[in-house]
Amino acid sequence: KQEVTQIPAALSVPEGENLVLNCSFTDSAIYNLQWFRQDPGKGLTSLLLIQSSQREQTSGRLNASLDKSSGRSTLYIAASQPGDSATYLCAVPHTGTASKLTFGTGTRLQVTL
Amino acid sequence: GAVVSQHPSRVICKSGTSVKIECRSLDFQATTMFWYRQFPKQSLMLMATSNEGSKATYEQGVEKDKFLINHASLTLSTLTVTSAHPEDSSFYICSALWVAKNIQYFGAGTRLSVL
Repeated sequence: KQEVTQIPAALSVPEGENLVLNCSFTDSAIYNLQWFRQDPGKGLTSLLLIQSSQREQTSGRLNASLDKSSGRSTLYIAASQPGDSATYLCAVPHTGTASKLTFGTGTRLQVTL
Repeated sequence: GAVVSQHPSRVICKSGTSVKIECRSLDFQATTMFWYRQFPKQSLMLMATSNEGSKATYEQGVEKDKFLINHASLTLSTLTVTSAHPEDSSFYICSALWVAKNIQYFGAGTRLSVL
């Protein structure tokens, strides 16, 4: 059974700092990995999707990397802004499926002025 | 990105009543939709896979008779929480799978409070 863990559980940084969020998963036989953002009481916004054949994806100030063999992914946020404050979730498909997702425990990010 | 509409966004009901939540795919046809549940400060847990024209597939530990799922069209899935109790209070989120892209698009969620 796939298990996904995110470290740290919570993070507070001053505006402008670069930061790294970590995601680890137990079963490396995944089709892809996604990073999502969730604002309080809201649904999910997909940030980045990395296919199993890729090592990283970039979108603006966000860069996600994937190391399947070690079961790890990182989300790098450059020059953080208060608007980046949210919970960040990573997710991978259930073992043996391409679409049913197992979500990580999330990292609550607070970017202060 | 594609839009998935979830309604209502918030519902408060009395214990023992049933509540229906709708999930609509506005930009594409979705033969597969998913229903998740999220408790406060916890991550999303997959409850069931909703399949258009056939029975839903429930995850282990999820009561089929408690959480009724209907996926009667390619753009609509509904989740009915039957005889709701306070322990059913939670945040429910649906997603629709765009098969060609293998990407799930998520609704904005429904906060259910059972008194």
